[in-house]
Amino acid sequence: GAGVSQSPSNKVTEKGKDVELRCDPISGHTALYWYRQSLGQGLEFLIYFQGNSAPDKSGLPSDRFSAERTGGSVSTLTIQRTQQEDSAVYLCASSGGQISGNTIYFGEGSWLTVV
Amino acid sequence: AQSVTQPDIHITVSEGASLELRCNYSYGATPYLFWYVQSPGQGLQLLLKYFSGDTLVQGIKGFEAEFKRSQSSFNLRKPSVHWSDAAEYFCAVVSGGSNYKLTFGKGTLLTVNP
Repeated sequence: GAGVSQSPSNKVTEKGKDVELRCDPISGHTALYWYRQSLGQGLEFLIYFQGNSAPDKSGLPSDRFSAERTGGSVSTLTIQRTQQEDSAVYLCASSGGQISGNTIYFGEGSWLTVV
Repeated sequence: AQSVTQPDIHITVSEGASLELRCNYSYGATPYLFWYVQSPGQGLQLLLKYFSGDTLVQGIKGFEAEFKRSQSSFNLRKPSVHWSDAAEYFCAVVSGGSNYKLTFGKGTLLTVNP
């Protein structure tokens, strides 16, 4: 597609359940990022992929959060045993490489509500 | 650690008025600086970026920003605001020489009155 695509766009889940959020980056983009946007914390970096490798996962809040990327394309962010504080918008972004020579394009986000 | 401060949480302007959104950063070396806009229910769209060179940067939608090293600022300006500019604006800096991790300010919500 023309832009970064995320699914689902909205997800309501019960506390304790696992959720998977999917990101389809722009075709050919080698770099992929996940950010979280919440009222209290603003926009926070979660993880960065270069190809299928994640050289920086320092922003993942806890071991309940994990992410993978396959085929240098699609990425999945998984949250296990969701908690109410996980409620946020999860934004995926991609770029053709590192920031200095490329533009980062963001998707519209996956709105997660944990009840 | 790098940080970005947007002092104004909410700004209201009248349509046709000029606009300036403030951004201050804390970063030791020459920063890479960005302004993004987010409309309700939408993702982030890049307005403009500064890496080096001319300190006055032109962006999309008639926006510009000026990098002032002495003031550690990167303020966003527009000479005449349109109702469609109502949105939230985020200033960001690349963190710690990583060349991939953005640190965002808390955002400024812009309301445009007719």
